[in-house]
Amino acid sequence: DTAVSQTPKYLVTQMGNDKSIKCEQNLGHDTMYWYKQDSKKFLKIMFSYNNKELIINETVPNRFSPKSPDKAHLNLHINSLELGDSAVYFCASRAGLAGTDTQYFGPGTRLTVL
Amino acid sequence: AQSVTQPDIHITVSEGASLELRCNYSYGATPYLFWYVQSPGQGLQLLLKYFSGDTLVQGIKGFEAEFKRSQSSFNLRKPSVHWSDAAEYFCAVGAATNAGKSTFGDGTTLTVKP
Repeated sequence: DTAVSQTPKYLVTQMGNDKSIKCEQNLGHDTMYWYKQDSKKFLKIMFSYNNKELIINETVPNRFSPKSPDKAHLNLHINSLELGDSAVYFCASRAGLAGTDTQYFGPGTRLTVL
Repeated sequence: AQSVTQPDIHITVSEGASLELRCNYSYGATPYLFWYVQSPGQGLQLLLKYFSGDTLVQGIKGFEAEFKRSQSSFNLRKPSVHWSDAAEYFCAVGAATNAGKSTFGDGTTLTVKP
């Protein structure tokens, strides 16, 4: 069974559209993250949720809105997509908030904005 | 604020040769340090981590890393590289506070020559 899964794996869309990416983890973890990896492979944290509550919100345009319906799911909705949003988006989870906890990453969603 | 520097953007080694990937960190307290590997088209997988104790840590796939506080380094090593080790490698530092937020280095791309 896949520990952290994301859908879709690939997403191609036009500028100005609104799209969502979904993430699910079956590890029983309390904490989930969204990361953005740009074309140069730089990996930056965007958001983190713990028990459905937002705990980390980096400097991200408010066109990005995460939603956590329950501990096992963290979705990312993006409004008015721009060319610069093209990237690979990774979901990750960890057991709790301890810096020592291992993060488990999903396979990524490659978003291409045309 | 925590930060991670991976000085080598790209490294090429011959199969069977030894490997060392460099990582320098900046963090005000005792750091939690991680190495992750990202194979092409995949998510990140934890290779090893260091929190305390023995400064030489063993990981999966024959990798090891040594924590040197005096040099603020956590270099990754492997005595004999296999072609399947070709991937992107990320060093990360985790915080004891701030919801355990991890900061990633910019990555090192490893190419293995036959």
